[in-house]
Amino acid sequence: SAVISQKPSRDICQRGTSLTIQCQVDSQVTMMFWYRQQPGQSLTLIATANQGSEATYESGFVIDKFPISRPNLTFSTLTVSNMSPEDSSIYLCSTRVNTEAFFGQGTRLTVV
Amino acid sequence: EDKVVQSPLSLVVHEGDTVTLNCSYEVTNFRSLLWYKQEKKAPTFLFMLTSSGIEKKSGRLSSILDKKELFSILNITATQTGDSAIYLCAVEARTETSYDKVIFGPGTSLSVIP
Repeated sequence: SAVISQKPSRDICQRGTSLTIQCQVDSQVTMMFWYRQQPGQSLTLIATANQGSEATYESGFVIDKFPISRPNLTFSTLTVSNMSPEDSSIYLCSTRVNTEAFFGQGTRLTVV
Repeated sequence: EDKVVQSPLSLVVHEGDTVTLNCSYEVTNFRSLLWYKQEKKAPTFLFMLTSSGIEKKSGRLSSILDKKELFSILNITATQTGDSAIYLCAVEARTETSYDKVIFGPGTSLSVIP
């Protein structure tokens, strides 16, 4: 199994600023995934982060807006840049260990 | 384009009722189907299904996959108020670059009233 510590758990930010979300895994994992869940919607994959290489972004998401770091096999960050109210969402990191997926506790972001 | 569809999108039942949640999918290079329960922020894992016709069971919850019809159901018997949550169906698919990505359905919001 894997335990993921995600922080911050929530934040309220001014538009135009940036927020970095961190996820720490208690074991080494190959892939980490970042999701967004906008109000009333399901989880949407933002990008997949593999240690030592650039993240792979899904359609509709770009590196300039959501830069991701993956400096080692236990840690990853997602930055939400130049925020607007439309970025208000829950952001979740996730990983896989064998056949099971594990999630961080989520970050509830409100942009005002 | 890969997609996962769930129905109904919302459901209100009384305690003790049995509910069936539906999930259908269209993906390339299917690997597995997963069910999650989401009460607050982070989903919690329920089941992973890879083979057709084999029922997975955990207490009052059970699930089965039909890979021919590209369909899965999640059953909850004798529902309790603590079952109130969003139930997410997700499909794992192998991409062209050989990593597995997970596509989530819209979720079914279940409310169990006393």
